[in-house]
Amino acid sequence: QKEVEQNSGPLSVPEGAIASLNCTYSDRGSQSFFWYRQYSGKSPELIMSIYSNGDKEDGRFTAQLNKASQYVSLLIRDSQPSDSATYLCAVNMRRYSTLTFGKGTMLLVSP
Amino acid sequence: DGGITQSPKYLFRKEGQNVTLSCEQNLNHDAMYWYRQDPGQGLRLIYYSQIVNDFQKGDIAEGYSVSREKKESFPLTVTSAQKNPTAFYLCASSMAQVGREQYFGPGTRLTVT
Repeated sequence: QKEVEQNSGPLSVPEGAIASLNCTYSDRGSQSFFWYRQYSGKSPELIMSIYSNGDKEDGRFTAQLNKASQYVSLLIRDSQPSDSATYLCAVNMRRYSTLTFGKGTMLLVSP
Repeated sequence: DGGITQSPKYLFRKEGQNVTLSCEQNLNHDAMYWYRQDPGQGLRLIYYSQIVNDFQKGDIAEGYSVSREKKESFPLTVTSAQKNPTAFYLCASSMAQVGREQYFGPGTRLTVT
């Protein structure tokens, strides 16, 4: 089982729709969770962090964490073509000193 | 303006040559990291350092070397022993505590022919 798993996509949504990106992880004791956005040819940019169960909202972005289900998601409301990118999920697992990254989900927002 | 700089942005080398990639940060972060990213692939950890004069191997350290003589700097050398060095190399930094968010530099795209 992969330790941090994401659907590779692409996830295609029309402009204005809600995009839902999902991430599952294997270590039940994981404490910190992050979402990064990576445009093609560029480096990853941190967009959200979440540490406790529930929702965390920042503008059009909402991160959702369910530790019991070992699941973290990112919702993007009112999706824009400029949101088209690969979204990486990163998890702090107890057995590692560094973050563990998923391979990312590509999001395509069509005008 | 705080941030992480990597130079150069593009680097071309002939096979058999060692090459050193630069990474500097002025965020006062204790921890620094090197990742490699291949097309369509996720990030793979090469080396990381949580304190000056100390570093640990990541998942794919073979063929690479690092040094951490200053808090601000963490250069990566890609040696001739690295079999497939052509890739996008990313440097990141974070506060010292385990599990803190990492911030990335702009990356260096290395092509070896």
